[in-house]
Amino acid sequence: RKEVEQDPGPFNVPEGATVAFNCTYSNSASQSFFWYRQDCRKEPKLLMSVYSSGNEDGRFTAQLNRASQYISLLIRDSKLSDSATYLCVVSPGGGGNKLTFGTGTQLKVEL
Amino acid sequence: DAGVTQSPTHLIKTRGQQVTLRCSPKSGHDTVSWYQQALGQGPQFIFQYYEEEERQRGNFPDRFSGHQFPNYSSELNVNALLLGDSALYLCASSLRGGLPDTQYFGPGTRLTVL
Repeated sequence: RKEVEQDPGPFNVPEGATVAFNCTYSNSASQSFFWYRQDCRKEPKLLMSVYSSGNEDGRFTAQLNRASQYISLLIRDSKLSDSATYLCVVSPGGGGNKLTFGTGTQLKVEL
Repeated sequence: DAGVTQSPTHLIKTRGQQVTLRCSPKSGHDTVSWYQQALGQGPQFIFQYYEEEERQRGNFPDRFSGHQFPNYSSELNVNALLLGDSALYLCASSLRGGLPDTQYFGPGTRLTVL
């Protein structure tokens, strides 16, 4: 079983749609959680950290359920520029910076 | 303020050869981590260097080795290259003891093994 599992997609949605990505992780000792965005042939970039209480950054909302070991990302009012691969990432915390990535979910926003 | 830089950007090698990839961390960072990203996969952690020593290692064979220099820059060496080593190799820098979300990635080196 992979440590971090995501639906690879692709998710093809029209501009303005709301889209949700889900992710599960297997290591219950994981302490830190993130969503990264990766454009084609580029490096991953941090989109947002995910906190237990849930957090929002503009059109993006992230949720964490530690009991179910489940992380989600909601994108509202999708833009063409949101087209990318979204990577779910967990870390053991404790000062260690090792990041464990899911395979990523590809999003294509269309006119 | 320069971010994380990596060289070369692209590299083509043949099976059995050896390769060295280089990384300069973001100014002020002292820790370098290396990741391998195969096509269609997420990045996989190879190892992490701090104070010129390997501190953590992922599930990679001994053919993968590294080094960190006193100026915090780092090298990744891969011996006896296999076709399956073809991937994007990413370097990430951070400050020891910092939060995981303060890790910054370089643009990567794309290695093709023929």
